[in-house]
Amino acid sequence: AQSVSQHNHHVILSEAASLELGCNYSYGGTVNLFWYVQYPGQHLQLLLKYFSGDPLVKGIKGFEAEFIKSKFSFNLRKPSVQWSDTAEYFCAVNVYNTDKLIFGTGTRLQVFP
Amino acid sequence: GAGVSQSPSNKVTEKGKDVELRCDPISGHTALYWYRQSLGQGLEFLIYFQGNSAPDKSGLPSDRFSAERTGGSVSTLTIQRTQQEDSAVYLCASSLGGRQGIGAQYFGPGTRLTVL
Repeated sequence: AQSVSQHNHHVILSEAASLELGCNYSYGGTVNLFWYVQYPGQHLQLLLKYFSGDPLVKGIKGFEAEFIKSKFSFNLRKPSVQWSDTAEYFCAVNVYNTDKLIFGTGTRLQVFP
Repeated sequence: GAGVSQSPSNKVTEKGKDVELRCDPISGHTALYWYRQSLGQGLEFLIYFQGNSAPDKSGLPSDRFSAERTGGSVSTLTIQRTQQEDSAVYLCASSLGGRQGIGAQYFGPGTRLTVL
């Protein structure tokens, strides 16, 4: 069965530090990849997505993610985090031609000013 | 409405009771999803409705769980004879459906279920 692994469960950073959150998936075929974010007290919302084309995807609020097919990875990055980036981040995979998203367990990011 | 709404926002029930959770998707969205979010477990897919097609129930954890979607809009998730392990946040999402809808799922605020 397909699965998604997020190895960083809790990340603590100071403002202006660089961020990289890991995401690995297990499926050998074509996938669509996503990062969702849940700010405190708010709904889950889409941060960015990869369907095809340029493997470096840019999302909202300065986030980007790179799809590396050979490593089955889709890591999320931001060069300089802000206090407002404090949230929980979920990686998700959609196996091509299915309608379900498989989510990772999430990474809680805390940014201190 | 502007977004996906869910009710109630919180539900506390006793073990063995039945509960119903409601989801109102975004108007015009043909696809509707239910997920369960448990502490440290991420989001677990439960069931998916797409238009008039038979729902994908492959994620329902037991036959105590069922869901229906009336008129292609509002959905109700029913849990019978609740158990303590059913305690979680139940999230509903909707999307336009089809390939354009994958990933563009809009989530509701969730219903926090506590089974005592």
